[in-house]
Amino acid sequence: AQTVTQSQPEMSVQEAETVTLSCTYDTSESDYYLFWYKQPPSRQMILVIRQEAYKQQNATENRFSVNFQKAAKSFSLKISDSQLGDAAMYFCAYRSAYSGTYKYIFGTGTRLKVLA
Amino acid sequence: DADVTQTPRNRITKTGKRIMLECSQTKGHDRMYWYRQDPGLGLRLIYYSFDVKDINKGEISDGYSVSRQAQAKFSLSLESAIPNQTALYFCATSDLDSDNEQFFGPGTRLTVL
Repeated sequence: AQTVTQSQPEMSVQEAETVTLSCTYDTSESDYYLFWYKQPPSRQMILVIRQEAYKQQNATENRFSVNFQKAAKSFSLKISDSQLGDAAMYFCAYRSAYSGTYKYIFGTGTRLKVLA
Repeated sequence: DADVTQTPRNRITKTGKRIMLECSQTKGHDRMYWYRQDPGLGLRLIYYSFDVKDINKGEISDGYSVSRQAQAKFSLSLESAIPNQTALYFCATSDLDSDNEQFFGPGTRLTVL
């Protein structure tokens, strides 16, 4: 069974600095998707970035980028130029790419605090 | 207007009461999901449905039931609520053809006293 582990329950970063959130996963599959979701105090789950396992290039969305290490089964999120609005809970998630599968496996989350 | 809506947004109920949480979507997606979120545990899947006639249990379905009334509607019921069902509940949808992203509703905060 697949698992997703976020070992940092809480992180802090100074405004305008860079922070990296860690995520590791375990799977025997070769094709899958990985996601980072943001949950601000409003509770809404917002997709931040996604990565297809077959793509070697790391995904980037503006100030958000990932470091995808397939062999190490690691998928970290880097937030550059941190802003107060980045303060939120961040969830890493995994989904198999095989048709007919349904499961999205979520990590336990990392709460990010941004200090002014 | 939001693509995925949930009602109610907040609910306080008493032990033993029956309660229904409703989810509606305008995205036209086939797949719908119910999760619960607890501090330190992340999101855990309760039930999921791939179409109106397809209902499947997730990892924590005990104490819950669901109904897929239409493609756009997926309801979660607690037949006899208990305090450890106090949690944040999310409905989500995804598309059969490009099923690599889920879209979430705003969540329902349920408190069982």
